[in-house]
Parts: sequence; C-alpha cells; structure tokens
Amino acid sequence: DQQVKQNSPSLSVQEGRISILNCDYTNSMFDYFLWYKKYPAEGPTFLISISSIKDKNEDGRFTVFLNKSAKHLSLHIVPSQPGDSAVYFCAAWGLNTGNQFYFGTGTSLTVIP
Amino acid sequence: GAGVSQSPSNKVTEKGKDVELRCDPISGHTALYWYRQSLGQGLEFLIYFQGNSAPDKSGLPSDRFSAERTGGSVSTLTIQRTQQEDSAVYLCASSLVAAPGTVNEKLFFGSGTQLSVL
Repeated sequence: DQQVKQNSPSLSVQEGRISILNCDYTNSMFDYFLWYKKYPAEGPTFLISISSIKDKNEDGRFTVFLNKSAKHLSLHIVPSQPGDSAVYFCAAWGLNTGNQFYFGTGTSLTVIP
Repeated sequence: GAGVSQSPSNKVTEKGKDVELRCDPISGHTALYWYRQSLGQGLEFLIYFQGNSAPDKSGLPSDRFSAERTGGSVSTLTIQRTQQEDSAVYLCASSLVAAPGTVNEKLFFGSGTQLSVL
C-alpha cells in the first residue's frame, strides 16, 4: 500500500511563476516530512523538510506547508527557475513507523524559460 | 570518496541469473539504506543497516534478495535467479545517525544501478 502519494506525475510552469507540488499521506503516525529533488542519472538530494509539529517551513525560494488534518503537504517554489526542472519526491518518516522513509512516486517539474 | 558510489551503473542480465550490486557509502556514515524504483513507482524500501545492529530486512520482496554490509562500510545487494519484475533502479543511501527519536533527514543517495532483466 502506498502510504505517501503524489497524484500529479508532471507539472509545467513558466519561469518566474510559482510551482506548487502536492503530496498526500495516509499514516497519521508520521512525524517528519521531506522533499527530495532528483535530476536524471543522479540520486535524489535532500531539499527541505518539516516536522509534524509545524505547519510551514521556508528556505529561500522553497516553502513546505503541512496540513495535518487533511494529511496533505505541498512544496512551493517561488520564483521558479529552469534549473528547478527535476523530479520531486515527497517522503515521510515516523518514530514508530520503522526505519524506512516512505516515498511518493514523484512529480516531474518542467520550468519553461 | 566524496559521495555514495554505486556500481555498476547499468546491469543487463538474463532471467534466472544472479546479480550483485555494490554500494560504497560516505566514509563515517553508519546508516545505509537500499531502495529500488520500478517504472512509475515510488522509491521502495528494501533494507536498512545501522552500525553493528541486525539489519532491518522488512522491505526485501522475496528470499531471492539478500544484502550484507562488511566492516560497517561497503554493502552488496544480491538478487538470485533474477526475474523480469526485478528490473528497476536500485538506489543506495547513507547517512549519519541522528540522536534517538530524531530523523536522519540527510540521506545521501548514490546515482543508482539500472538493472534490466531480459
């Protein structure tokens, strides 16, 4: 069963505009949520995270929002740049959900110059 | 090395053959994960090593899969009698272990091994 879901396989955004990537999860035991970015032929790299006790975390152009009641999080990229074009994975971890990180299926973002 | 190194980067094999995939983690990283990504799927957890503790093998899909980590460093994932459904990108990640009750958010991934079973 897929405990972390990214329902949009792809997203195209104009350079300079906002990119919003969405992620839903099913397990209320998750304590931490992360976003990873992946370029072709490379492994995923950590981008930003948020603890379940917060509802927002910001790092430069990247902001993650968490809505625990809806079991939903989103990644906002403002302004979007062509170098942001990559696959973005949402991941979750819980103190009592085992050692693994649970990953979504990814959203491929294309930022059009 | 500076990052997590995986070899080979690509492996094509025939159904029924055994394969070995290698992961060289970042020096000093005591935690090591294996994940795989099949086409159109998310990253699927396979196995987790932490120091000298018994590995968490809960993600291994069948007894054809095994992994070991020698000397707390290099890890080898072995798939016996490969099947076509084993075709995927196999990713290794390592990290320092955070304090108990906290999360190892800094997972450093290798570039993966693309396994194709014909």
